[in-house]
Amino acid sequence: EDQVTQSPEALRLQEGESSSLNCSYTVSGLRGLFWYRQDPGKGPEFLFTLYSAGEEKEKERLKATLTKKESFLHITAPKPEDSATYLCAEPSYGKLTFGQGTILTVHP
Amino acid sequence: EPEVTQTPSHQVTQMGQEVILRCVPISNHLYFYWYRQILGQKVEFLVSFYNNEISEKSEIFDDQFSVERPDGSNFTLKIRSTKLEDSAMYFCASKQTSAQETQYFGPGTRLLVL
Repeated sequence: EDQVTQSPEALRLQEGESSSLNCSYTVSGLRGLFWYRQDPGKGPEFLFTLYSAGEEKEKERLKATLTKKESFLHITAPKPEDSATYLCAEPSYGKLTFGQGTILTVHP
Repeated sequence: EPEVTQTPSHQVTQMGQEVILRCVPISNHLYFYWYRQILGQKVEFLVSFYNNEISEKSEIFDDQFSVERPDGSNFTLKIRSTKLEDSAMYFCASKQTSAQETQYFGPGTRLLVL
């Protein structure tokens, strides 16, 4: 069974305190790894797609990286507005399989 | 910027009633999806739809569920006889082509079955 596992489940940071979120996957025939941001009561908002090991993508304070077995979402000098749930997902035969998410809280 | 829209944002219904959730995918997208998220749980795939037919469906998507693209813009999810356990956020998503995997999600419909 395809599985996507994220860690930690929750992460509390002080504003400016950099950290990383992890996403491990077991889907065979990887056709991309996606990161989404989800605010409470909202739909997932697309952040990044990574297709091959070694690939990196950046957007403001976020940088996503990919290895053969996992992906990291690095958050540099986070601000309170970065507080959200960060989801990773993999496509498999068209559908996305999501991890359970990491709830990030950034305190001012 | 084009976006996926969904209506209603909230729906409260009685157990056993039929509900129709509506979505307007991004206009040049060809692949359409429904997902659901029970409170506190993962986002789960329900069904994918392409070329006016279901491409794939999950175990959740039983005979109580159906999807339809009644015109050139709308994409609907119907639940014929709602159960308490159908209470969840329902998200519509779309993507442009088979080669491009990125799916864009709508804001969701919060369904509460009483």
